[in-house]
Formats: sequence, C-alpha cells, structure tokens
Amino acid sequence: QVYLVESGGGVVQPGRSLRLSCAASGFTFAISAMHWVRQAPGKGLEWVAGISHDGTEDNYADSVKGRFTISRDNSRKTLFLEMNSLRPDDTAVYFCARDGAGGSLDSWGQGTLVTFSS
Amino acid sequence: SYVLTQPPSVSVAPGKTATISCGGNMFGSEGVHWYQQKPGQAPVQVLYSTSDRPSGIPERFSGSKSGNMAALTISSVEAGDEADYYCQIWDSLVHHLVFGGGTKLTVL
Repeated sequence: QVYLVESGGGVVQPGRSLRLSCAASGFTFAISAMHWVRQAPGKGLEWVAGISHDGTEDNYADSVKGRFTISRDNSRKTLFLEMNSLRPDDTAVYFCARDGAGGSLDSWGQGTLVTFSS
Repeated sequence: SYVLTQPPSVSVAPGKTATISCGGNMFGSEGVHWYQQKPGQAPVQVLYSTSDRPSGIPERFSGSKSGNMAALTISSVEAGDEADYYCQIWDSLVHHLVFGGGTKLTVL
C-alpha cells in the first residue's frame, strides 16, 4: 500500500518562506518520479512541480518558477517543496503525488494547507 | 501551450450513463488520465492512458479519445459517483502536467 503524508503547511505572511515535506512509504521511492499539485479553495487542480526519480531533473509551472524549488532525499524517502516569496494567490492545499504510467499520477497524499495571515 | 477544456457540470439520473468530455487543443498520441475527487478528499485516479483502469476501479468507468476530444464514461451511475472529475495529460514538449478545469458530476 502506497502512503504519502504531507506536512509543513500553515499560516504565513506574504513574502515569507515555507518548506513542505512529503513522507513516502509502501513503495520504492528511489525509482519513482514525484510531483506537487495544488488546489486553491473552491478551485481546480494545478500542477506545481515535478522531479525525476534521482533528482537530476525538475520542472515547474510558470506560476511558481523562480520562487519554488522541488527536491528529494531518497535515503529518507521524502519529497520537499521549498516555497519562497509567497503570495496570497499561493493559498491552496498542496498534494504530493507519485508519477505513474504514461505521465499520470497514480497515488496522492491527503494534502497540507497553506494559507495567509492578513 | 496545452489547454484542456471540460464542461463545468454534468447531471445524470441514477442508473443512467454519464459522459464527461475533455477537449484538447494539441492532442496527439499521448494518453489522457482521469481523476475523481470527492469533497474534502484527495483525488483518486480512475483511468490512465485514456482507457486503462487502476486496480479497484469498477468496470463501469471507461474512457476514449478521438481527434481533439477525450471522454470519461460512467455507466450505471450510482450516488457514490457524485464528485468532481479532472482530465490530465503530460505535455512532453515542456515536461509539464496539465489538468482540465474539472467537471462536477451531480447524480439527480
């Protein structure tokens, strides 16, 4: 059984930073590409970033490029998302997901919420 | 860039067939993937590579693609199928995932 558990969300102020983590278990993390997907309140799914199995390749949505960094630690079976220069429109539930067949996402975590203080 | 267009909502009576479309402006040979999301829950993959079902997904869920349109078909719809459904592709040119805007399926 694949388990993905996100953590690190919370309330932040505009311009600040936050680091999200996703702990993986139940599968061989080191051979799986991984992704972050977010969902703003009441809105649809938006892909944020993806990383290859070995961390040598990463890709970002235009909306976060230059501000967010995806990384992974295969020895700890953990995926990260470093978010800098946060903006109110980054408010969302952030899901980590495993890359599956044909570029699909075959397993998802339950998500962690990032919101902003006024 | 790739754009996937879904109808905002689809309604269907129990026991009938629901079809959710996904229009793509650049469909090629890549597969289309589908996810079901119920309120307050994470998305669940219901189809991958256009028409393949993951383990545990009922045969009532099927998929197709023709030209610039893909579709998710749910036969013998049940109340428990009420959810938001999203299509998705992998844009191999820019190495991005792209989601459709989502369709809310209402079971009358």
